[in-house]
Amino acid sequence: SQKIEQNSEALNIQEGKTATLTCNYTNYSPAYLQWYRQDPGRGPVFLLLIRENEKEKRKERLKVTFDTTLKQSLFHITASQPADSATYLCALVRSGNTGKLIFGQGTTLQVKP
Amino acid sequence: NAGVTQTPKFQVLKTGQSMTLQCAQDMNHNSMYWYRQDPGMGLRLIYYSASEGTTDKGEVPNGYNVSRLNKREFSLRLESAAPSQTSVYFCATGTGDLYQPQHFGDGTRLSIL
Repeated sequence: SQKIEQNSEALNIQEGKTATLTCNYTNYSPAYLQWYRQDPGRGPVFLLLIRENEKEKRKERLKVTFDTTLKQSLFHITASQPADSATYLCALVRSGNTGKLIFGQGTTLQVKP
Repeated sequence: NAGVTQTPKFQVLKTGQSMTLQCAQDMNHNSMYWYRQDPGMGLRLIYYSASEGTTDKGEVPNGYNVSRLNKREFSLRLESAAPSQTSVYFCATGTGDLYQPQHFGDGTRLSIL
């Protein structure tokens, strides 16, 4: 069956460092992959999208990579701040799908001052 | 501009009771989705509606029904609530375009005793 996995353990880092979150998938080739941020008690908020033919995408302090050979996406936050503390979700869609997303379970990031 | 509004925000039910969760959007999006989020499981798609007048099952539809009342509103009904349906329920909308993100409401926290 289709599977998408993120590190279930929380990631704790010091302010100013780069946070790297991992998203691995199995059993099919996604058309694209999205990353969302979720704060406690709130719904997910879209951050970035990367297509299958793109290796890397950047937006301000955020960078996403997509390696279809390794079946993996990495999400980087550079110069991290305590305000970046949240749960980050990856989601993918297969080619030909009607926009239905398959989500990973999320990784919680805690940035300490 | 409210985006995606879910009501109620919290609800406690007894086993066997029925309940309808409401979702309304002002984004003029064609597609609407219902997800449930459980600890360690990530977001799972219950039902979706690609456009007004159509609905389809997602990954976990059993025990639920939906109604796409009009373009703005998409409701989720639990006919006979079970403790296994205790979860946080999120409604989302999208354009239906494969490469566009989904926009989420802030969820309904439902406990079934």
